[in-house]
Amino acid sequence: QKEVEQDPGPLSVPEGAIVSLNCTYSNSAFQYFMWYRQYSRKGPELLMYTYSSGNKEDGRFTAQVDKSSKYISLFIRDSQPSDSATYLCAMFKAAGNKLTFGGGTRVLVKP
Amino acid sequence: DAGVTQSPTHLIKTRGQQVTLRCSPKSGHDTVSWYQQALGQGPQFIFQYYEEEERQRGNFPDRFSGHQFPNYSSELNVNALLLGDSALYLCASSSPGLNQPQHFGDGTRLSIL
Repeated sequence: QKEVEQDPGPLSVPEGAIVSLNCTYSNSAFQYFMWYRQYSRKGPELLMYTYSSGNKEDGRFTAQVDKSSKYISLFIRDSQPSDSATYLCAMFKAAGNKLTFGGGTRVLVKP
Repeated sequence: DAGVTQSPTHLIKTRGQQVTLRCSPKSGHDTVSWYQQALGQGPQFIFQYYEEEERQRGNFPDRFSGHQFPNYSSELNVNALLLGDSALYLCASSSPGLNQPQHFGDGTRLSIL
């Protein structure tokens, strides 16, 4: 069983819809959580970085962490065709700095 | 402000050869990590360098080695290349201090024939 599970998709939504992404993890030692966006032939781009349980908002993006359930989510409001990409969740243990990634979810936003 | 830069962008090698990939971290960053990303998968941690020392290593064989220079730039070396080493190799850097987020370059795409 992988330490971090993520539905590979693809997830197809119409422009303007809310995109909902999530990851589950098995190791309670993970304390820091990130979401990255990766376009084809590019490196991952950091979108959100969170520590505590609860919500964190940045523009159209909201990251949610539930440590008790070992579940994290990313919501993208008012989705645009330019949001079409692969979204990767990642996490690391305190003072660890080694990122453990999910497999990524491919998202397609249709005009 | 330049981000993480990697070179070369693409590389084609044959089995048994050796390769060196290079990375310059983002300005102000002192820690460099390397990841391997196979097609359709998430990146896998290879190792991390801090103060010119390998600080942490993932589950990769000794054929994978690295180096960090005094200016914080880094190299990844892979010896005795195998077909399975074909992947996107990503470099990430982070700021001084614990628990800092990592910022990635666009990677080197390595193809083994």
